[in-house]
Amino acid sequence: QKEVEQNSGPLSVPEGAIASLNCTYSDRVSQSFFWYRQYSGKSPELIMSIYSNGDKEDGRFTAQLNKASQYVSLLIRDSQPSDSATYLCAVKLVRQGAQKLVFGQGTRLTINP
Amino acid sequence: DGGITQSPKYLFRKEGQNVTLSCEQNLNHDAMYWYRQDPGQGLRLIYYSQIVNDFQKGDIAEGYSVSREKKESFPLTVTSAQKNPTAFYLCASSIGWGNTGELFFGEGSRLTVL
Repeated sequence: QKEVEQNSGPLSVPEGAIASLNCTYSDRVSQSFFWYRQYSGKSPELIMSIYSNGDKEDGRFTAQLNKASQYVSLLIRDSQPSDSATYLCAVKLVRQGAQKLVFGQGTRLTINP
Repeated sequence: DGGITQSPKYLFRKEGQNVTLSCEQNLNHDAMYWYRQDPGQGLRLIYYSQIVNDFQKGDIAEGYSVSREKKESFPLTVTSAQKNPTAFYLCASSIGWGNTGELFFGEGSRLTVL
């Protein structure tokens, strides 16, 4: 089982609709979760972080965390063509006394005008 | 402006050659990381360093080497032992142990083997 799993997509959503991106992780003790957006040929940029169960909202973005189900999601409301990108879910793990971020394979999102 | 600088942005290598990718940060971060990304894939961890003069292998360290002689610098050498080095390489940093884990990325270096 992969440590962090995402549906690779592509996910196609009409402009103005809600895009829903999902991620599961295997390590029950993980405490920090992140969503990065990556445009083609560019480096990832952080758009959301979440550390406790429930929802966290920032503008059009909402991150949802359910530690019991080991599930984290990202909702994008009022989707815009500029939201078309690959979205990477990342989970902080602690291994052998060091911390590192493990990434899922990413979900490619396309917003159709 | 604080940030992470990677160079070169594009690099071409002949088979059998070693190449070194530079990564410099002025964020005063303790931890630095190297990731590799292949087309349509997520990021895979090559090496990481939590503190100067110490580094650890990540998930795909074979064929790579690093050094951490200064807090600001974490160069990655892709050796001839790396069988499939063509990829997008990303350097990142974070504040250090005990922080939330947020990573700050450089702009990446794209390596192509001819």
